[in-house]
Amino acid sequence: DTAVSQTPKYLVTQMGNDKSIKCEQNLGHDTMYWYKQDSKKFLKIMFSYNNKELIINETVPNRFSPKSPDKAHLNLHINSLELGDSAVYFCASSPPERMGEAFFGQGTRLTVV
Amino acid sequence: AQSVTQLDSQVPVFEEAPVELRCNYSSSVSVYLFWYVQYPNQGLQLLLKYLSGSTLVKGINGFEAEFNKSQTSFHLRKPSVHISDTAEYFCAVRPGGYNKLIFGAGTRLAVHP
Repeated sequence: DTAVSQTPKYLVTQMGNDKSIKCEQNLGHDTMYWYKQDSKKFLKIMFSYNNKELIINETVPNRFSPKSPDKAHLNLHINSLELGDSAVYFCASSPPERMGEAFFGQGTRLTVV
Repeated sequence: AQSVTQLDSQVPVFEEAPVELRCNYSSSVSVYLFWYVQYPNQGLQLLLKYLSGSTLVKGINGFEAEFNKSQTSFHLRKPSVHISDTAEYFCAVRPGGYNKLIFGAGTRLAVHP
């Protein structure tokens, strides 16, 4: 039973396209996140949601729009993809009493060509 | 602003040797400290955490870390490494009151036979 699952695992697409990455967690956590890991392995938070409400938006371009239909899901939609969006995107979740103890998905490797 | 510095980008070591991965942080507020491990093509997994109390914390897989407030450090150690410890290790802070993790750039631990 996967705790935090992301789909797809790999995504190759052309510049200018719109794509979505889905994330689901079955841990009952209230908080979910999207992190971006660049080619140098550097990890940076993009968004944080708590009970479907946006808590953190780390100056991410408007082309990135997260959506949380319920507290178990946090999807990431990206419009007008650019070469610089190529990265590995990680979804994560954490319980409210142990924020910082994040459970990560396997990642989605996005390649924009 | 909070930041995390991992002083070594790569640490090669022979099997059964001891290892120390260094981490320094800067923060004007209280922090919670974490080490995460990322095995190839996988998401991150929590190794250990410091929230309060004893400055020596033990984690999974025989790792431990020591919080040193005066030196603003949280170095990770293992007395005897195995081939299976080969992975990327990330130090992270969660600034008090903020629902996000700030990661260091990572240290690649390569264990050789």
